[in-house]
Amino acid sequence: GNSVTQMEGPVTLSEEAFLTINCTYTATGYPSLFWYVQYPGEGLQLLLKATKADDKGSNKGFEATYRKETTSFHLEKGSVQVSDSAVYFCALSPGGYQKVTFGTGTKLQVIP
Amino acid sequence: GAVVSQHPSWVICKSGTSVKIECRSLDFQATTMFWYRQFPKQSLMLMATSNEGSKATYEQGVEKDKFLINHASLTLSTLTVTSAHPEDSSFYICSAREPSQATDTQYFGPGTRLTVL
Repeated sequence: GNSVTQMEGPVTLSEEAFLTINCTYTATGYPSLFWYVQYPGEGLQLLLKATKADDKGSNKGFEATYRKETTSFHLEKGSVQVSDSAVYFCALSPGGYQKVTFGTGTKLQVIP
Repeated sequence: GAVVSQHPSWVICKSGTSVKIECRSLDFQATTMFWYRQFPKQSLMLMATSNEGSKATYEQGVEKDKFLINHASLTLSTLTVTSAHPEDSSFYICSAREPSQATDTQYFGPGTRLTVL
């Protein structure tokens, strides 16, 4: 079946540091890939997405590239802010109205 | 972007009572909505898929008689936790699939915190 593996957190960074959160997946075919962010006490917000190999999703300074050869979709940001502190979920959708598979989430804490 | 709302945002109830949670798509029609449960510091667990005009599809291990789902319109799905017990206390999140997009993108509600005393 489909699966998503994320690096375990928590990840603690100083403000303005470079962020990478690793995500790898297992799926048949060509799934769409997503990053969602969850702030404390809130639901999930779509951060970015990519629908095919080599696509780069980007939003609010975050980027992730769909790498089919390595089955990865790592999240990166060049300079994190305290306001980026949240839990980040990697997810895949195989399409065809099949259910979305989420990773376990990675908590990011940015300290001033 | 597509907006999904949930009501209430939090609810406290006594054991044995029933609680209804609403999920609405505000600016699009959603033929399919999803209900998730999230335990503290854990990922989302899909409970059921709600399809407008038909019965919901429940995931394995989820009691359909306890978690009643109704998707009566293209913008509203409800989850009723019947005869709630303290172990049902959790964060419940709904999402809706935005059909106009080519990709299978889900938009999430802000969640409902249920506490059963």
